[in-house]
Amino acid sequence: GAGVSQSPSNKVTEKGKDVELRCDPISGHTALYWYRQSLGQGLEFLIYFQGNSAPDKSGLPSDRFSAERTGGSVSTLTIQRTQQEDSAVYLCASSLALLDIQYFGAGTRLSVL
Amino acid sequence: AQKITQTQPGMFVQEKEAVTLDCTYDTSDQSYGLFWYKQPSSGEMIFLIYQGSYDEQNATEGRYSLNFQKARKSANLVISASQLGDSAMYFCAMREGHKEYGNKLVFGAGTILRVKS
Repeated sequence: GAGVSQSPSNKVTEKGKDVELRCDPISGHTALYWYRQSLGQGLEFLIYFQGNSAPDKSGLPSDRFSAERTGGSVSTLTIQRTQQEDSAVYLCASSLALLDIQYFGAGTRLSVL
Repeated sequence: AQKITQTQPGMFVQEKEAVTLDCTYDTSDQSYGLFWYKQPSSGEMIFLIYQGSYDEQNATEGRYSLNFQKARKSANLVISASQLGDSAMYFCAMREGHKEYGNKLVFGAGTILRVKS
């Protein structure tokens, strides 16, 4: 498909386990973004990548969260030792270049039991 | 301080009528961008329309138009000829212009729109 692809679409995990969320951006898009959408906090910016670099990680909620991007394409958001407050929808977006319009994927719904 | 305010938690509109969704923003930057996204129940955020702070004309995209009033710091979305498929959550978002912010979008709380037949 031509859009941003995220997997899995749903993830249920037990508290304390690690999870990996994957994002495939639109082909050719150099910038990639992660957001989190939860009932209590609304939509929050987490991190962005320009190429494989993440210049600003200040949006990550704790050091249990990390993200990487390889080959200027696929990105993985990793949450270690998941907590119930991590339950949310994690949205990925990409843009052709920095400051361009961001196009979103359908998200990964994470439930931590 | 909240940067994007959407004061209407929910709105109803009759099919084929026009509806305006309100958005006000707060920034001290001269260069910024304003966006509207639609989120249907499927969860995907769909880009609708964009307005740059220096754009003199109001943005339009098909049935969507953005009523941009810079002095009032408002960027209301107008949907003309509403359709049942317009029922969704609508988010207003702002990007401040500095590249060091990395194109981070700040979102409002959203407005749920329900179109009645």
